[in-house]
Amino acid sequence: SAVISQKPSRDICQRGTSLTIQCQVDSQVTMMFWYRQQPGQSLTLIATANQGSEATYESGFVIDKFPISRPNLTFSTLTVSNMSPEDSSIYLCSVPQGAHGYTFGSGTRLTVV
Amino acid sequence: ILNVEQSPQSLHVQEGDSTNFTCSFPSSNFYALHWYRWETAKSPEALFVMTLNGDEKKKGRISATLNTKEGYSYLYIKGSQPEDSATYLCASPGTGNQFYFGTGTSLTVIP
Repeated sequence: SAVISQKPSRDICQRGTSLTIQCQVDSQVTMMFWYRQQPGQSLTLIATANQGSEATYESGFVIDKFPISRPNLTFSTLTVSNMSPEDSSIYLCSVPQGAHGYTFGSGTRLTVV
Repeated sequence: ILNVEQSPQSLHVQEGDSTNFTCSFPSSNFYALHWYRWETAKSPEALFVMTLNGDEKKKGRISATLNTKEGYSYLYIKGSQPEDSATYLCASPGTGNQFYFGTGTSLTVIP
């Protein structure tokens, strides 16, 4: 199965700033997904990153807040913009692995102060 | 939106004890049920993908069952070890790319 390298693993950021999270996959994949887990909540899909087209955002998430890049089939970034304490979460990228489910990055633990 | 629920939220067991926890999901339009183990600072690791009613899958000391008619899955751990300490997540696909996760069961195995 694919191996995903996600950076940074954690960060503490000031409110109003932005953080870009990177995911590098060791093989080419058509779709990459970005998730968020707020404290005490479920993992929630933010958007699907498509190579060569704009990301598809789920209800409640917008491009201005979470811009996504997908320059090729092995790499994607998610930016958390104009952060507030409510953005403190674990952010995960993942790729589908067919019958084996999904492979995830190791997560970015973000604290906004 | 699919309502996927897990219980209990957290669990502490002694080393050597067996344990189990539950994932419930809507039984209508069922497609699949996934189990993951998520250790702190690591990637969630896929344990099982279950699709058929009555399915039972096993991986070492961990096994899972599936009842699609009543909408639940059980995860069992036999003879818990400290390395089993993790959060166990279940998830079920919805429409499009949406994949609905439960909030997880946090397991702590006490040596």
